[in-house]
Amino acid sequence: GDSVTQMEGPVTLSEEAFLTINCTYTATGYPSLFWYVQYPGEGLQLLLKATKADDKGSNKGFEATYRKETTSFHLEKGSVQVSDSAVYFCARDSGSARQLTFGSGTQLTVLP
Amino acid sequence: DAGVTQSPTHLIKTRGQQVTLRCSPKSGHDTVSWYQQALGQGPQFIFQYYEEEERQRGNFPDRFSGHQFPNYSSELNVNALLLGDSALYLCASSLSAGAREQYFGPGTRLTVT
Repeated sequence: GDSVTQMEGPVTLSEEAFLTINCTYTATGYPSLFWYVQYPGEGLQLLLKATKADDKGSNKGFEATYRKETTSFHLEKGSVQVSDSAVYFCARDSGSARQLTFGSGTQLTVLP
Repeated sequence: DAGVTQSPTHLIKTRGQQVTLRCSPKSGHDTVSWYQQALGQGPQFIFQYYEEEERQRGNFPDRFSGHQFPNYSSELNVNALLLGDSALYLCASSLSAGAREQYFGPGTRLTVT
């Protein structure tokens, strides 16, 4: 079945460091790809999305490019802030209901 | 513009009991999906409701059932609770047409003792 494999954490960075969280997906169909963020005690917030190959999703300084040739959708940010500390989930949609399949999540901690 | 709301926030139940969780979708949305998120894991799709019918179902037993009302709100019912049902239950709403992005509520934390 469809799956998403995500870089395991936890990841600890200093403020203003460069962030990369790797994500790969199974290449069945023509999925849309997503990054969601979950802050402690909260639900998931959509961070960015891409709907087709070579699309770049971006939001709040985060970027991810839909790479069909490598089945990847890596999340990047040039300069992280303490407020970016959260769990990040990569996801793809599938099926007629466009249900989401999530990776296992990556815990990011940014130190001042 | 109200987002997705869920109730209750927390719930503690005993093995064998039954539970009902509730979700109100984002204004204008007509489709509701339910996900189970075990501690330290990504959410797992349970099922989706559209036009008051179950549209798609994930790999969950029949103990998990749902309902959608004419106002698009939804309930998730779990019967014969097991310890392993302890999780955060997330509701997501979307539009049946267009981009169909899913917007999540804050979740209901269910603890089964």
